[in-house]
Amino acid sequence: ETGVTQTPRHLVMGMTNKKSLKCEQHLGHNAMYWYKQSAKKPLELMFVYSLEERVENNSVPSRFSPECPNSSHLFLHLHTLQPEDSALYLCASSQGGQGRNEQYFGPGTRLTVT
Amino acid sequence: AQSVTQLDSQVPVFEEAPVELRCNYSSSVSVYLFWYVQYPNQGLQLLLKYLSGSTLVKGINGFEAEFNKSQTSFHLRKPSVHISDTAEYFCAVSGLRGGAQKLVFGQGTRLTINP
Repeated sequence: ETGVTQTPRHLVMGMTNKKSLKCEQHLGHNAMYWYKQSAKKPLELMFVYSLEERVENNSVPSRFSPECPNSSHLFLHLHTLQPEDSALYLCASSQGGQGRNEQYFGPGTRLTVT
Repeated sequence: AQSVTQLDSQVPVFEEAPVELRCNYSSSVSVYLFWYVQYPNQGLQLLLKYLSGSTLVKGINGFEAEFNKSQTSFHLRKPSVHISDTAEYFCAVSGLRGGAQKLVFGQGTRLTINP
């Protein structure tokens, strides 16, 4: 595997379910990110992890819970979601510490909440 | 605070025509600027970036962008587009937060190429 991978690619869940999204980066980066991409809205930064510590939490509801067990893996745990949470969830990584380095994105998980 | 405005939400052009996608930013500090492209059902891919130096930046797939500090713009151009350029394009400005990069994205411009 190369780059940034995300699983699953598609997920349909009911409002009472619990599920997790997984992201893995194979680039040796030390920062990882979760974004939400909804139709007709700009990309919304949800969480940022640098050196496995959460450094940003953009007022995301508690029904989204991130976990970064090491610098290569990032999870987003989901529970009691709402239909408006349906979106494309993108993971990214970068070599942090310098704003000049681009982020590398995974293909995303398309989440549908029924 | 930093912000990015992409002035056009949709741009339709004919194949082999030139195209310009407009981006304006605001920032109180020195900036790094990026253009990303998102093809259908995929994540974002870097097209090009401006860090410093020459204001004309060349990227992949024949795209280029010009950094204009006085107009706070970073417009993306291609002299002749192909059907395969149909995608969503995002302009972004970079800052730092807690040792990690923080990208602020524009709303995106959907480029549609007509034969």
